Amino acid sequence: DAGITQSPRHKVTETGTPVTLRCHQTENHRYMYWYRQDPGHGLRLIHYSYGVKDTDKGEVSDGYSVSRSKTEDFLLTLESATSSQTSVYFCAISSGSSYNEQFFGPGTRLTVL
Amino acid sequence: DAKTTQPPSMDCAEGRAANLPCNHSTISGNEYVYWYRQIHSQGPQYIIHGLKNNETNEMASLIITEDRKSSTLILPHATLRDTAVYYCIVRPTDSWGKLQFGAGTQVVVTP
Repeated sequence: DAGITQSPRHKVTETGTPVTLRCHQTENHRYMYWYRQDPGHGLRLIHYSYGVKDTDKGEVSDGYSVSRSKTEDFLLTLESATSSQTSVYFCAISSGSSYNEQFFGPGTRLTVL
Repeated sequence: DAKTTQPPSMDCAEGRAANLPCNHSTISGNEYVYWYRQIHSQGPQYIIHGLKNNETNEMASLIITEDRKSSTLILPHATLRDTAVYYCIVRPTDSWGKLQFGAGTQVVVTP
C-alpha cells in the first residue's frame, strides 16, 4: 500500500470554526489531490498540487484553501466550516508518470454541526 | 458532464467472472480509460487502465472495443472481497491525473 496517511480520521466541529485536514505521504510523489465524497455525488476534486507551493483549484474549491510547504504534506483548510462541508475527504497522490495512477488515503470523516 | 455511462448495480456469483460494462462514446483519441474501485468506507483503489489495446494485470482484464466507444472490465474469478463500487473514468493523457468520478457500478458478489 502506498504510504499515505490522513489526520484526523474523524472530526466533529461547529459551524464557523476553522478546520485543517492533513495529508502526509512517504512516496515522494509530486502530485497531491484533495477530494470530497458525498452521497449521490461520487468523488469531486477540491484542490490539487503539482509541486511544493504549486496548487490549483478543482471543481468544488469554494470555501477551501490548501497549502503545500513540503513535498510530503498537503493541508486542506476550511476557514469557516459550514454544514454543507460535512463530508468524507480523501487525499490522493500520484507520481506524474504517463500512467498517473492515483493512490488514495483512508479518508477523513468531517461533521460540521 | 458525464463522460462515461455505467449500470448502477450488478450482482455476481462468487467464483464466476464479473463483466462490468462502460460506455464512453465521446472519448477522444488522447484519453485513457481507467478503472478504480471503492470498497465500503475506504479510499478508491486503482485497478487498471488502457488506451487502445486490451490490458491484463493481476487484478483484472480490460477489453476496449476497436472504436474505443466502450470497454469492459473483467474480474475473472470474483470473490466476496470484490464487492465494491467500480468506477470507469476517461482521462486525457496530458491532464496529469485529475480524475472525474461518476456514480460507478455497485457490484455485489454473493456466495
